[in-house]
Amino acid sequence: DTGVSQNPRHKITKRGQNVTFRCDPISEHNRLYWYRQTLGQGPEFLTYFQNEAQLEKSRLLSDRFSAERPKGSFSTLEIQRTEQGDSAMYLCASSYPKATSTDTQYFGPGTRLTVL
Amino acid sequence: AQSVTQLGSHVSVSEGALVLLRCNYSSSVPPYLFWYVQYPNQGLQLLLKYTSAATLVKGINGFEAEFKKSETSFHLTKPSAHMSDAAEYFCAVSVPTSGTYKYIFGTGTRLKVLA
Repeated sequence: DTGVSQNPRHKITKRGQNVTFRCDPISEHNRLYWYRQTLGQGPEFLTYFQNEAQLEKSRLLSDRFSAERPKGSFSTLEIQRTEQGDSAMYLCASSYPKATSTDTQYFGPGTRLTVL
Repeated sequence: AQSVTQLGSHVSVSEGALVLLRCNYSSSVPPYLFWYVQYPNQGLQLLLKYTSAATLVKGINGFEAEFKKSETSFHLTKPSAHMSDAAEYFCAVSVPTSGTYKYIFGTGTRLKVLA
């Protein structure tokens, strides 16, 4: 078990550019989540995949954001036409469903995005 | 709607002193509650979780938390603080959604341990 990994760890970009982040979940986990954490705040839910299906998207996820999980393994989060307000830590988590209780989500180290 | 409130955005304790980080929740259904720790520039590490079994939950690194339904609280404690405990701590409640659960986090409490 190598844990959840995210790449890159840091990304600096200029306003208006597109960026893409990758998340590799724990291998046997079929559920994958994206969260955004701004400075001084707790993480906020963005979206969720079960296998390759994107089952929920937060209203925080504007049309400039798109997430995919094409083969039910790794996921990508793309932000088009970045804005300074997109500067945040983007966290990925994965889980394995439990029949009688909530999943426990395991988080990756995050990708810190800075938009200049 | 489910929510979490963490009282005190910053807490300072002396090394060896009791650590108490407060978390109150609001939930219309029996809650599942979590505490996570975040070290600088890192992701979240699970400390402990409450899933309706024992009300006193023991976690890693000597931390524990007690679920009190009457007070809607899930405070995190550690009897003796260590310098390595300095970090940010997040309380979270899980909310059913689209066949799974999403987490609602509090705003976090930054713990400072004084030598």
